[in-house]
Amino acid sequence: AQSVAQPEDQVNVAEGNPLTVKCTYSVSGNPYLFWYVQYPNRGLQFLLKYITGDNLVKGSYGFEAEFNKSQTSFHLKKPSALVSDSALYFCAVRESNDYKLSFGAGTTVTVRA
Amino acid sequence: DGGITQSPKYLFRKEGQNVTLSCEQNLNHDAMYWYRQDPGQGLRLIYYSQIVNDFQKGDIAEGYSVSREKKESFPLTVTSAQKNPTAFYLCASSAIPTDTQYFGPGTRLTVL
Repeated sequence: AQSVAQPEDQVNVAEGNPLTVKCTYSVSGNPYLFWYVQYPNRGLQFLLKYITGDNLVKGSYGFEAEFNKSQTSFHLKKPSALVSDSALYFCAVRESNDYKLSFGAGTTVTVRA
Repeated sequence: DGGITQSPKYLFRKEGQNVTLSCEQNLNHDAMYWYRQDPGQGLRLIYYSQIVNDFQKGDIAEGYSVSREKKESFPLTVTSAQKNPTAFYLCASSAIPTDTQYFGPGTRLTVL
């Protein structure tokens, strides 16, 4: 079975400060990892994914994520947060040869001006 | 939200009624998915289809039905057998089943 944990329901940061959203995962085989963002009453927007290769993955809107196999983590980061980054963020995982995505419960990010 | 459209955006249903949610994609994707989102629970898979005329149950298929007669379309019917249908429903598609999934804008269903 595969699963994702997002240990923080909410993250609050000041604009201009670094933003980190935490994610840990569990899969039997090789993990494919994803981050999505959701604005109120909207669908999920794809931010980035890790398939293989470099552990540091760069994505849309200045976001990046670091894959750490030993800690089974895939934390999302942004060096300087914007008020417009305030949204709900989801981490998801699937095994490399599977279609099924498992999502975390989501982390609400609030960036204050 | 790309080339995936969902309609309607808001839907109200009386208890005992069946309702159908529309999902259309113009991305030429083979695979399509339906998810249900409830507050604090993430997304749960209802049904998925890897190819036309084929679909499989996900984790919470009870009370739902789907069809996949065309590559572009994957409608979801919420039947009266679904005990707690009030939720936000999201449709997604991917080029192939093991590729990145892209999501539509969602339909919010409320049972009155």
